Amino acid sequence: EIVLTQSPATLSLSPGEAATLSCRANQTVSYFLSWFQQKPGQAPRLLIYDVSKRASDIPARFSGSGSETDFTLTISSLELDDFAVYYCLQRGDWPFSFGGGSRVDLK
Amino acid sequence: EVKLVESGGGIVQPGGSLRLSCEVSGFGFSNYWMHWVRRAPGTGLMWLSRINSNGFSVSYVDSVKGRFTTSRDNAKNILYLQMNSLRDEDTAVYYCARGVYGDFWGQGTLVAVSP
Repeated sequence: EIVLTQSPATLSLSPGEAATLSCRANQTVSYFLSWFQQKPGQAPRLLIYDVSKRASDIPARFSGSGSETDFTLTISSLELDDFAVYYCLQRGDWPFSFGGGSRVDLK
Repeated sequence: EVKLVESGGGIVQPGGSLRLSCEVSGFGFSNYWMHWVRRAPGTGLMWLSRINSNGFSVSYVDSVKGRFTTSRDNAKNILYLQMNSLRDEDTAVYYCARGVYGDFWGQGTLVAVSP
C-alpha cells in the first residue's frame, strides 16, 4: 500500500504570501497524483490532477509539480478563500490513498 | 448542473447495517466510474471503494472488504453502499465522488456507530 506523507502539518501565512505544500510517497505513483482542498463542513474539492493539471474553474494561482515520489502544491498568492486543509491523493495503485493533510492557517 | 446527493446515514449500533445512496443528476451517470470516500472524526480521508461504469468491476480497501458492498443502478442514476457488521471505527461522513479524478463530490452523509 502506498503511503503519502504531507508536510508541513500546519502553515501559518498571511494573504498575499505564497504557500508551498509537500507530498512524498513511499513508492512511485508515476503521475497519478491529485490535490484536494477541504473546508469545514464541505466536501473535498479537486484542485489538481495528474500532478499539474488544474481542474475546471480552479484559479491559476494553484499549481502542482513533481514526479514519481515527490510532489508540491504551490499557491502563488494566498487569498482569504484559500485558508483550508489540503490533501494529496495517489491513484497510481489500489487502494487509492490520501496524505494526512496540510492546514493553511491565517497568521 | 452536476449534482450528487448522498442519503441514508444515521445512528446505528455496532454490528448493524445501513445502506447509503448517492443520487446523481446533470451528467451521464452510466459513463463514469464512481467512488465512496469517508472522513472519520479527527482523522483524514479514506478512499473506500470504486465501481466501474457498468458495475461489473468493484474494488474495496481492506478495512471494509467483506463488510461493505458498492453497487449502482444506471437506470435510476443511483450509487449504493451497503454497510454490514458496522464498527465504531466506521463512524464518519461518507461521500460519493464522480469519475476517474473525483471531480465532483456530494456533500456527504453522516454515519454514527454507537451502542
